[in-house]
Amino acid sequence: AQSVTQLGSHVSVSEGALVLLRCNYSSSVPPYLFWYVQYPNQGLQLLLKYTTGATLVKGINGFEAEFKKSETSFHLTKPSAHMSDAAEYFCAVSEDFNKFYFGSGTKLNVKP
Amino acid sequence: NAGVTQTPKFQVLKTGQSMTLQCAQDMNHNSMYWYRQDPGMGLRLIYYSASEGTTDKGEVPNGYNVSRLNKREFSLRLESAAPSQTSVYFCAIRQSSGNTIYFGEGSWLTVV
Repeated sequence: AQSVTQLGSHVSVSEGALVLLRCNYSSSVPPYLFWYVQYPNQGLQLLLKYTTGATLVKGINGFEAEFKKSETSFHLTKPSAHMSDAAEYFCAVSEDFNKFYFGSGTKLNVKP
Repeated sequence: NAGVTQTPKFQVLKTGQSMTLQCAQDMNHNSMYWYRQDPGMGLRLIYYSASEGTTDKGEVPNGYNVSRLNKREFSLRLESAAPSQTSVYFCAIRQSSGNTIYFGEGSWLTVV
């Protein structure tokens, strides 16, 4: 069975500070992992994904995530937060590209 | 919106009424999905369709029916709406040879 846990439903950082959003997963096989972002009243947009190859994945808007198999984690980071990063972020896992399972989301607030 | 069109965008129903949410894609992809999004619970898969004429249950199928009559359209029906079905509904598609799902803009449904 697949599941995703996002630690922290709300994260608040100052503009220019490091962003760290946590995601842990459970999967019986090597998973495929995704981060999506959702702005208010919009659908979800893909930020980045890990399928195979390099475990450090770079995405749009300066975000990156590292797949750590030993820790079953796929945390999302950005070195310097911008006001425009305020949104809700979702981690997702898939084992076979048929079903995709999402975490409960983390709302990122960026303070000026 | 990755070529995914959902209608209607907003709907208010009375308990016991029925309605159908429509999803259409313009990219000829095989796989289509219906998710619901609720505060603090992330996105949960209701049904998905791997190809025309086939459908499979997701995590929360009770109270819903789906129909995939052709490759382009995937509809979600509520036969007897309940307040617990108040939610935001997202249709998503996956490219036939791809490993990522892309979302429509959502349909806001309120059942009173």
